Amino acid sequence: AQSVTQLGSHVSVSEGALVLLRCNYSSSVPPYLFWYVQYPNQGLQLLLKYTSAATLVKGINGFEAEFKKSETSFHLTKPSAHMSDAAEYFCAVSERAGGFKTIFGAGTRLFVKA
Amino acid sequence: DTGVSQNPRHKITKRGQNVTFRCDPISEHNRLYWYRQTLGQGPEFLTYFQNEAQLEKSRLLSDRFSAERPKGSFSTLEIQRTEQGDSAMYLCASSSQGAAGANVLTFGAGSRLTVL
Repeated sequence: AQSVTQLGSHVSVSEGALVLLRCNYSSSVPPYLFWYVQYPNQGLQLLLKYTSAATLVKGINGFEAEFKKSETSFHLTKPSAHMSDAAEYFCAVSERAGGFKTIFGAGTRLFVKA
Repeated sequence: DTGVSQNPRHKITKRGQNVTFRCDPISEHNRLYWYRQTLGQGPEFLTYFQNEAQLEKSRLLSDRFSAERPKGSFSTLEIQRTEQGDSAMYLCASSSQGAAGANVLTFGAGSRLTVL
């Protein structure tokens, strides 16, 4: 069975500071990995995905994530936080072969202080 | 394309009543999903359709829940004899299998259910 663990339900950073949101996954088969973002009163939207090519994946709004198989991690980073990055972020996993079900972590709410 | 549309956005009902939510996916997407999200949690998988066929149902989906997708287009999620524990945001998502096989979900804004 697949699962996702997001370390830290809340993360607070100052504007301009590094953003680091942690995600560890468990999967018995090679996974696809995703980060989704949910802004207030909006639906979840895809930030980036790892499918098997480069282990460093770049997404929208300056975010990127690195797939580390040895650590079973897929942490999300952004060099410099902006006020508009305040949102809830979800890490997710699905199977490669015929993977139709996506399993989500509990989410990490990012606060950005002026 | 206007994306994934869900109606109603909010529903307040009394315990024991039946409610129905509708989801209109992106027209070219053949896969449709229902998830449930409670406060402080990530979306939990409920059920999945490929075209009109319901291929999997979560154990979370008790027999009071039923979902349909007639003709492989819009979908409905009905909850009968609602209970206070059913209060949640019900999310619909759709997808089509990408070239790399990764199943990228496009979500609607959700339907929030409050059971009094």
